[in-house]
Amino acid sequence: QQQVKQSPQSLIVQKGGISIINCAYENTAFDYFPWYQQFPGKGPALLIAIRPDVSEKKEGRFTISFNKSAKQFSLHIMDSQPGDSATYFCAASTDYKLSFGAGTTVTVRA
Amino acid sequence: GAVVSQHPSRVICKSGTSVKIECRSLDFQATTMFWYRQFPKKSLMLMATSNEGSKATYEQGVEKDKFLINHASLTLSTLTVTSAHPEDSSFYICSLAGSVSYNEQFFGPGTRLTVL
Repeated sequence: QQQVKQSPQSLIVQKGGISIINCAYENTAFDYFPWYQQFPGKGPALLIAIRPDVSEKKEGRFTISFNKSAKQFSLHIMDSQPGDSATYFCAASTDYKLSFGAGTTVTVRA
Repeated sequence: GAVVSQHPSRVICKSGTSVKIECRSLDFQATTMFWYRQFPKKSLMLMATSNEGSKATYEQGVEKDKFLINHASLTLSTLTVTSAHPEDSSFYICSLAGSVSYNEQFFGPGTRLTVL
C-alpha cells in the first residue's frame, strides 16, 4: 500500500517551461517531505525538502508548495532544462523512515 | 550532504550463489543506514534499517535469512543476498541518515544485481 500518491506518472515539457508534480499523503505523522531526483542507473539525489510548518520553499529553479490541511505537496521546476530530464520521487518521513511516491518521469524537449 | 559509495556497481551471478554488496560512508560516521530495492521503472522499497552494532530491522515481507545485513562499523554496512535466484535481480541502493537530521537520507549510487 503506497502511503504517498504521486502524479502524473510522466510528463513532457518544452525547454523553458514549468514542470509540476503533485503528491498526496494520508498519514498525519509524516513530518518531513523531501523530493529526490534520479537519473537512470544512479541512486536518488536529494533535491529539496520541506517541513509541515512551512507552506513554500524555493531553491533556485525548484519550489515545493505544501498544503497541510489538504495533505498535499507539489514540486515546481521553473525554466525546465534538458538536463532536468530524470525521474522525480516525492517522499514523506516519520521516525526517519522514508515512504516514496511512485515517481514521475520528466522529459524536457529542447 | 554525505558521500556514500557502493561496491560493486553491478554484479552478475549464477543462481544459488551468494553476493555481498558494500555500502560505505566516506565523510562521516553513520549510526543508521538503510537498504532499498528498486525494480525497473518502479519506486524504492525499504528493505531494512541497519544500526551499527545491533541487528538490522527488516520490513514486513523481507526475508531476513535471505538478505543478511551487517553494520559492523560506523562507515560500513553490507547486504548479502544468499542463495540468489533470478527474482532477486534488482537495483539495490543503500542510504545513510544525516548527522544533522535523521530525516535526511543520502543515497549511494546503487548496485545492479543480475542473477542468471
